[in-house]
Amino acid sequence: KAGVTQTPRYLIKTRGQQVTLSCSPISGHRSVSWYQQTPGQGLQFLFEYFSETQRNKGNFPGRFSGRQFSNSRSEMNVSTLELGDSALYLCASSLRIRGGAQETQYFGPGTRLLVL
Amino acid sequence: SQQGEEDPQALSIQEGENATMNCSYKTSINNLQWYRQNSGRGLVHLILIRSNEREKHSGRLRVTLDTSKKSSSLLITASRAADTASYFCATDDYTGANSKLTFGKGITLSVRP
Repeated sequence: KAGVTQTPRYLIKTRGQQVTLSCSPISGHRSVSWYQQTPGQGLQFLFEYFSETQRNKGNFPGRFSGRQFSNSRSEMNVSTLELGDSALYLCASSLRIRGGAQETQYFGPGTRLLVL
Repeated sequence: SQQGEEDPQALSIQEGENATMNCSYKTSINNLQWYRQNSGRGLVHLILIRSNEREKHSGRLRVTLDTSKKSSSLLITASRAADTASYFCATDDYTGANSKLTFGKGITLSVRP
């Protein structure tokens, strides 16, 4: 079974621009979560999508948004980029069932975003 | 905010020794999970222990969970240089349908050959 894939792997943007990251989950997984990882803050939860609906959201500004398509692929968008948005963005999928606890998450390799 | 807090922050041991890492958390949980990350890559799931379990084994890994103390430990026996990585504990908070995984800041393990 193919693992979680993320594109692109690396991105360089300038302040004020916007960026879209893509994540393809493991086949059959309906839950996709996004995380931001920085040296200072560690792994911070952004949001989770399940069957095209946002299930949960972390404490990030509205500049961070996401969506999920009917094939479970997900995208996240960051508008008006700031220097502090430089980070490794990780996507993870799981076999979570509706109403169930968060089970084992399978992570993609991440997208490293550098904002200049 | 971080739910899980790992201890120590960094650990350096000789190959063949055992490595013990601890995680404490604050609220009730559904389960606790341990992950490994090599050099800024994606995380790899190691083991999941549910709130009604006390101990679990997987190969050279042993995880314990003490819900009364809100703590867990991960033991890696007979460590290898390839175990060098960052290790994270993550807790699924007990908030029903919208529960989420919250990660600690991680432990950096260095295994010297």
